[in-house]
Amino acid sequence: GNSVTQMEGPVTLSEEAFLTINCTYTATGYPSLFWYVQYPGEGLQLLLKATKADDKGSNKGFEATYRKETTSFHLEKGSVQVSDSAVYFCALSPPGGYNKLIFGAGTRLAVHP
Amino acid sequence: KAGVTQTPRYLIKTRGQQVTLSCSPISGHRSVSWYQQTPGQGLQFLFEYFSETQRNKGNFPGRFSGRQFSNSRSEMNVSTLELGDSALYLCASSFGTGASYEQYFGPGTRLTVT
Repeated sequence: GNSVTQMEGPVTLSEEAFLTINCTYTATGYPSLFWYVQYPGEGLQLLLKATKADDKGSNKGFEATYRKETTSFHLEKGSVQVSDSAVYFCALSPPGGYNKLIFGAGTRLAVHP
Repeated sequence: KAGVTQTPRYLIKTRGQQVTLSCSPISGHRSVSWYQQTPGQGLQFLFEYFSETQRNKGNFPGRFSGRQFSNSRSEMNVSTLELGDSALYLCASSFGTGASYEQYFGPGTRLTVT
């Protein structure tokens, strides 16, 4: 079946540190991959996406590359800010699944000044 | 442009009751999806509606149902509430179907079952 596994948190970093949140997936066919972010008290927001192998999604300094050979979609940012503190969800949309999203468990990121 | 709105934002119900949650999508969006978010199970897909038709359904019991109206507004209903139904229920709207269409999430309805 389809599933997403992401590293457990919380991840605690100092401002300007490098961020990596690991995400691996299991899927039949070629899913689309997403990172969503949830700030406290808010709904989910799309951070970035990639729809085919070797695609790189990027937004607000965050990047992730669709690696089919390692079934991974790791999230990275070169220099985090306090305002990046949130919960990050990796997700996949299976082929033919319309708008269905399968989410990982989420990783809480806390950035301290 | 107004975002996705969900009403009510908070709800407290008693075990055995039923509840109806509402989702108003962004104007022009025809797809509405529903998710349940709990600390134990995370985010789980409930169902998706597109132009009043259910397109996809997650692995939830028949107590969970939904519908979509001609104006794209959607409701979900949970009958015979159980304690385990306590969760944040999120809806998301999209103009179309597929990864090329961004899904926009509402702030959620927090349901507490006592």
